[in-house]
Amino acid sequence: AQKVTQAQTEISVVEKEDVTLDCVYETRDTTYYLFWYKQPPSGELVFLIRRNSFDEQNEISGRYSWNFQKSTSSFNFTITASQVVDSAVYFCALSEAQTSGTYKYIFGTGTRLKVLA
Amino acid sequence: DAMVIQNPRYQVTQFGKPVTLSCSQTLNHNVMYWYQQKSSQAPKLLFHYYDKDFNNEADTPDNFQSRRPNTSFCFLDIRSPGLGDAAMYLCATSRGDVSYEQYFGPGTRLTVT
Repeated sequence: AQKVTQAQTEISVVEKEDVTLDCVYETRDTTYYLFWYKQPPSGELVFLIRRNSFDEQNEISGRYSWNFQKSTSSFNFTITASQVVDSAVYFCALSEAQTSGTYKYIFGTGTRLKVLA
Repeated sequence: DAMVIQNPRYQVTQFGKPVTLSCSQTLNHNVMYWYQQKSSQAPKLLFHYYDKDFNNEADTPDNFQSRRPNTSFCFLDIRSPGLGDAAMYLCATSRGDVSYEQYFGPGTRLTVT
């Protein structure tokens, strides 16, 4: 069964520290997609990144970087030089094809990040 | 700006009184989703429309229904809200199936009294 585990329920860091949010997934399929979303206190989930299972290149976008390792089924997210505005709940999500031809989408339980000034 | 809009942002209803939440999008996306999110939990998919095709999740209670009269609008109907249905309801859209990223609205927080 597909599953997404975000073992870190809550993390607190001081501004300017680097922080890594972990995501471990389980899937039987060879074709799947991984996502990260940010949910600030306002409530609206914001898409951050999409990665397909055939693309293991790491990605950097400003202070954000993602490390995708199929060997360990992990898709970790690092924020460099964290800022107070990074405080939010971050969700990792997985989608994989079903036998019906549709995709199943599942979110992890989220990691609440608190960045203290 | 293109976006996903949800109205109202806050809805209070009485136990057992039908309520409708609305969602509209200007992204012209094929797929629209409804999620339920309870406090400190992950969003839970209730159902989605791929164009006019309705796809219900197996564990979505019959109390929840949806309508999509056109590409831009989608409604969530809760026929007889119970106290356990109090939650944030999130609408999202995507260009295609769930292999694509989703764009979320701000949510409607439903309170049941």
